[in-house]
Amino acid sequence: QSVLTQPPSVSAAPGQKVTISCSGSSSIVGNNYVSWYQQLPGTAPKLLIYESNKRPSGIPDRFSGSTSGTSATLGITGLQTGDEADYYCGAWDASLSVRVFGGGTKLTVL
Amino acid sequence: QVQLQESGPGLVKPSQTLSLSCTVSGGSISSGSYYWTWIRQPAGKGLEWIGRIYTTGSTNYNPSLKSRVAISLDTSKNQFSLKVTSVNAADTAVYYCARGDPLIAAYLYWGQGALVTVSS
Repeated sequence: QSVLTQPPSVSAAPGQKVTISCSGSSSIVGNNYVSWYQQLPGTAPKLLIYESNKRPSGIPDRFSGSTSGTSATLGITGLQTGDEADYYCGAWDASLSVRVFGGGTKLTVL
Repeated sequence: QVQLQESGPGLVKPSQTLSLSCTVSGGSISSGSYYWTWIRQPAGKGLEWIGRIYTTGSTNYNPSLKSRVAISLDTSKNQFSLKVTSVNAADTAVYYCARGDPLIAAYLYWGQGALVTVSS
């Protein structure tokens, strides 16, 4: 059972938009920055979003992040088949001094 | 460009100690304010944070693993290392090393991962 809750899977057609949610307690998501990672099959995770809504250099603006209360959301527009991957949210749990991750969401581009 | 590379035995017997190293290139492990981190992922499952070591040598460990884990720095080799004692099958996973940047509260740089199997 992950401290951060994500839907196990989402799907959408190419060109469409999808959102992935990440919910947690106020002490985690509510008070700390959320980051998002994309993991393509057989590869290491790749940072997509940091500080809840900022993109590292080289990440296209099709990827966006937002937070509201105790939930964070990753949005992906203009879906491409190459976006098929597992997506993880992560945040710092200050009460336990541990980084926590969501269980991951598998994105299928139909 | 910062690069990280894990190395170590791919097979460890139950009850023994798992040892991995992460070699950092493109920057000194002792400069800057970074958290050198280990994260693992069992096959088909999610990411589990193991722990981290700061440039000063201070550490934080996942409470679920704390009694069996140790992370250390070797500045002469520009490496940091992970030891997990008394391993069992549940420790079988791909182990990633990563650089945590407190300015962005995230992991921008990751190693490619090392599969460690615990089996007799």
